[in-house]
Amino acid sequence: DGGITQSPKYLFRKEGQNVTLSCEQNLNHDAMYWYRQDPGQGLRLIYYSQIVNDFQKGDIAEGYSVSREKKESFPLTVTSAQKNPTAFYLCASRGLAGGRGAYNEQFFGPGTRLTVL
Amino acid sequence: RKEVEQDPGPFNVPEGATVAFNCTYSNSASQSFFWYRQDCRKEPKLLMSVYSSGNEDGRFTAQLNRASQYISLLIRDSKLSDSATYLCVVNRHNAGNMLTFGGGTRLMVKP
Repeated sequence: DGGITQSPKYLFRKEGQNVTLSCEQNLNHDAMYWYRQDPGQGLRLIYYSQIVNDFQKGDIAEGYSVSREKKESFPLTVTSAQKNPTAFYLCASRGLAGGRGAYNEQFFGPGTRLTVL
Repeated sequence: RKEVEQDPGPFNVPEGATVAFNCTYSNSASQSFFWYRQDCRKEPKLLMSVYSSGNEDGRFTAQLNRASQYISLLIRDSKLSDSATYLCVVNRHNAGNMLTFGGGTRLMVKP
């Protein structure tokens, strides 16, 4: 059964370290997204990618970087430049209209909880 | 003004009650509307899309009022398992497939 996986589930980082969060999907989706969610708040878009080898900044891209070398994978690096990285990070993907799910529906991975020590 | 606004709640209701949530959006050009459900410490999952004519899925009814730019979700005969946060979601103007998420409304159904 197809889906989106994220790893690790929990991640602890020391200040000044870069860390990379993994996101893999086997849904054959073209578009992938990274969001950040803080307690009691909605999701905020960090980066997105509509096709392989192309990605765009979202609303809060500062201190983050991404790559999209393969359709299935969209890793997110949280750099030391991100001043307040402790949050719940969610990866999502979306297929083409007419495929699985409602038009514009985004499917989410289980998330990674990042804590800065 | 936030692009998508919701009352954060919590809404505390007894089992069997009917509860309604509203959501307002600022972008009059939005075309796609959704309700997502998010359980505590889990990822959001699509509950239902919202269509112009209104739509129903079992105990859940969604309505869209374009003139007033608000979306509603009605839950009838609430179950304990309905306890969750409900996120109102709309697509962005001039950004086709990008979505904007509201902050969510928390529902707690009590026995």
